[in-house]
Amino acid sequence: AQSVTQPDIHITVSEGASLELRCNYSYGATPYLFWYVQYPGQHLQLLLKYFSGDPLVKGIKGFEAEFIKSKFSFNLRKPSVQWSDTAEYFCAVNAGGFKTIFGAGTRLFVKA
Amino acid sequence: EAGVTQSPTHLIKTRGQQATLRCSPISGHTSVYWYQQALGLGLQFLLWYDEGEERNRGNFPPRFSGRQFPNYSSELNVNALELEDSALYLCASSLGGTATPQETQYFGPGTRLLVL
Repeated sequence: AQSVTQPDIHITVSEGASLELRCNYSYGATPYLFWYVQYPGQHLQLLLKYFSGDPLVKGIKGFEAEFIKSKFSFNLRKPSVQWSDTAEYFCAVNAGGFKTIFGAGTRLFVKA
Repeated sequence: EAGVTQSPTHLIKTRGQQATLRCSPISGHTSVYWYQQALGLGLQFLLWYDEGEERNRGNFPPRFSGRQFPNYSSELNVNALELEDSALYLCASSLGGTATPQETQYFGPGTRLLVL
């Protein structure tokens, strides 16, 4: 069965620092991959998604993610975080079975 | 354009009762998804409806059920409530159809269910 692992439950970084949130999935073929974000008091919303082509995907708010097939990873990155990036981030996978599996989430706190 | 709406925002029930949660998708969307977000467990897929039919369900007992109406709105029913059903229940919608796995899901604000 497909699964998604986000090994970091909580991460705290200082404003201006670089960020990498890890996501690993288990599935034989290349799935559809997503990162969603939930800002405090707001709805869950899509940051970016990958289906095929260039493994480096750019999303909103300066985020990007790299699909590394050999490592079954889809890590989210941002070169310089802002205080407003404080949120919970979810990695999600859909292997074509019409069921999207979400990771447990990573809570990011950015110190001013 | 109105987003996904859910009602009620909060619901308090006692063990053994039934809960009904409602969701209205974005206009033009035919697919509706239900997720349970329990503390520390991320989002657990519950149900997927498209064009009025249940297309897939997650690993939840049969007391979790739902339906989709002709206007594509949806209801989630939870029977014989248990304490561990306390969670945030999120509804999402997407355009639906054959491209569904690739489509962005748009989420509502959720219904927070508390079972006492």
